[in-house]
Amino acid sequence: ETGVTQSPTHLIKTRGQQVTLRCSSQSGHNTVSWYQQALGQGPQFIFQYYREEENGRGNFPPRFSGLQFPNYSSELNVNALELDDSALYLCASSQADSAFYGYTFGSGTRLTVV
Amino acid sequence: GIQVEQSPPDLILQEGANSTLRCNFSDSVNNLQWFHQNPWGQLINLFYIPSGTKQNGRLSATTVATERYSLLYISSSQTTDSGVYFCAVESNFGNEKLTFGTGTRLTIIP
Repeated sequence: ETGVTQSPTHLIKTRGQQVTLRCSSQSGHNTVSWYQQALGQGPQFIFQYYREEENGRGNFPPRFSGLQFPNYSSELNVNALELDDSALYLCASSQADSAFYGYTFGSGTRLTVV
Repeated sequence: GIQVEQSPPDLILQEGANSTLRCNFSDSVNNLQWFHQNPWGQLINLFYIPSGTKQNGRLSATTVATERYSLLYISSSQTTDSGVYFCAVESNFGNEKLTFGTGTRLTIIP
């Protein structure tokens, strides 16, 4: 059973640029959620994707967008990067439509905006 | 949205000591998980425990859903237990998914 994998592990971008982060869900999971964790804080919910559609969104502006693909992998896109977007971005997968056993998280992508 | 509070915020213990971490939440939940975040940022799932009691080695957890709290017990602490422990819940209502508490930073001194 493969876990949740994220890429890249680290990334440095310039303010105003765009970034794409990627996540492969755990085998057997059909739902992907994205979280932003600023230094010293708990993770904050960005959005969730289920069956390739957004299924819930936290308090993040529209420049945060995502996709889910037929194989359940997902992308997080952030446009017009701001310095405050510097954070650890975590992806989590879970299984809906059946017995639920919680969320499994990847190791994260650490984004630095300069 | 649902509020999640964890206590204490910081805990420093000698190796071998026992500890209890608490998580209070403001609404009924259908999911509660305890995570350990290691120094590299990885969130390790410790327990999926929306209700009841579970044990895994030196760790155990209890959730009393009717009173809206959960406890994580760590016995015979080891230095590798150091890190931040998060409680996260998913409400029965609303659009937001897993909501995290502010965490407890545990430091185990040899």
